[in-house]
Amino acid sequence: EVQLLESGGGLVQPGGSLRLSCAASGFTFSSYGMSWVRQAPGKGLEWVSSISGNGGSTFYADSVKGRFTISRDKSKNTLYLQMNSLRAEDTAVYYCAKLGSETYYNIDSWGQGTLVTVSS
Amino acid sequence: QPVLTQSSSASASLGSSVKLTCTLSSGHSTYAIAWHQQQPGTAPRYLMKVEDNGGYSRGRGVPDRFSGSSSGADRYLSISNLQFEDEADYYCETWDRNTWVFGGGTKLTV
Repeated sequence: EVQLLESGGGLVQPGGSLRLSCAASGFTFSSYGMSWVRQAPGKGLEWVSSISGNGGSTFYADSVKGRFTISRDKSKNTLYLQMNSLRAEDTAVYYCAKLGSETYYNIDSWGQGTLVTVSS
Repeated sequence: QPVLTQSSSASASLGSSVKLTCTLSSGHSTYAIAWHQQQPGTAPRYLMKVEDNGGYSRGRGVPDRFSGSSSGADRYLSISNLQFEDEADYYCETWDRNTWVFGGGTKLTV
């Protein structure tokens, strides 16, 4: 059974940084692309970033490009999202998600989410 | 990049059926999409992938009350024998070479 467990969320001041982690299990981690998706309070789902199974390709939404960095560690079966220069509009629940293939495919599993609050 | 359009809300009675629509933008009518369900206060759950030819594949554990279909640029999620636990937000998702996109979601009331 696929399990995705996010951690690292919390309260951070505007302009600050935070690193989210997602521990994956139940599948061959390096064979599947992974994504981060966020949901602001009371809003819909917004794609943030994706990474290919081998980590060689990364993709970002325009809203986070240049501020966020996605990465993965196959030795630890863990996905990361480094978030810098955080803004109030980055406040959201951040979900880790598994893609159904190595890169260009739909999400087929979700984590439970971790809340990031950007506020002074 | 593709844009997905969904109605903001839908309602149907317990035990009845409902069909939700996700419409792909012009030039993207051959794209596959995925449906995700988000019950109140919980994380999203993957339901199925729907191809442009109408074929669909459900995720693990998704009841066969849920089915998919297609017509032109429209992708559908049909739910039969509605249960109270089907009351949720439903999102469609698609992807292109460098981006993933979600529809705005449909809030289903049972």
